[in-house]
Amino acid sequence: GAVVSQHPSRVICKSGTSVKIECRSLDFQATTMFWYRQFPKQSLMLMATSNEGSKATYEQGVEKDKFLINHASLTLSTLTVTSAHPEDSSFYICSASGGGAGRTEAFFGQGTRLTVV
Amino acid sequence: KQEVTQIPAALSVPEGENLVLNCSFTDSAIYNLQWFRQDPGKGLTSLLLIQSSQREQTSGRLNASLDKSSGRSTLYIAASQPGDSATYLCAVNDGTDKLIFGTGTRLQVFP
Repeated sequence: GAVVSQHPSRVICKSGTSVKIECRSLDFQATTMFWYRQFPKQSLMLMATSNEGSKATYEQGVEKDKFLINHASLTLSTLTVTSAHPEDSSFYICSASGGGAGRTEAFFGQGTRLTVV
Repeated sequence: KQEVTQIPAALSVPEGENLVLNCSFTDSAIYNLQWFRQDPGKGLTSLLLIQSSQREQTSGRLNASLDKSSGRSTLYIAASQPGDSATYLCAVNDGTDKLIFGTGTRLQVFP
């Protein structure tokens, strides 16, 4: 299957700082990428849809000014957690989708464990 | 609003057993359904993708079926092994490529 690379896999930052997470599709062009958040022992919650060359679409309840998403190319989307606080500590996972809507297989990155101290 | 539920939430079995994991969804208007495996602290590995027009897909010891009209999918694992221990997630694609995930089944296979 296709490969999606997410970096870093683990990050610890101080409260008030910003953290950038990268998601790359290595062997295909991803017109759309998705960012999910996962709390311990819970399922994935969609945060936002990242579209190449346009603004991201955020799910209800997700602060767009706190979670900045940039999808500047067909192979790279970034999620920046701004002014991080301990409650932002979580597991963040991206997925990439290419081709026509509704018929593509989703491929996921390895995830990023964010700990805010 | 689409809701996806998985039963059981947790399962512990001895090695060698054949297993059935269940996934149900409330809105049958889906484009595809995907089964994933997640190891602790890791990302998701795609296991099987079933398009809405298909009834089942097989890969090795895994077989997934889809009954769209009744809103159900099952993942069958034959001859389970300790290496199969993980959380299994099903997710439905609503046509926009957004995935709506189930609650997951935590599987433990002991030797």
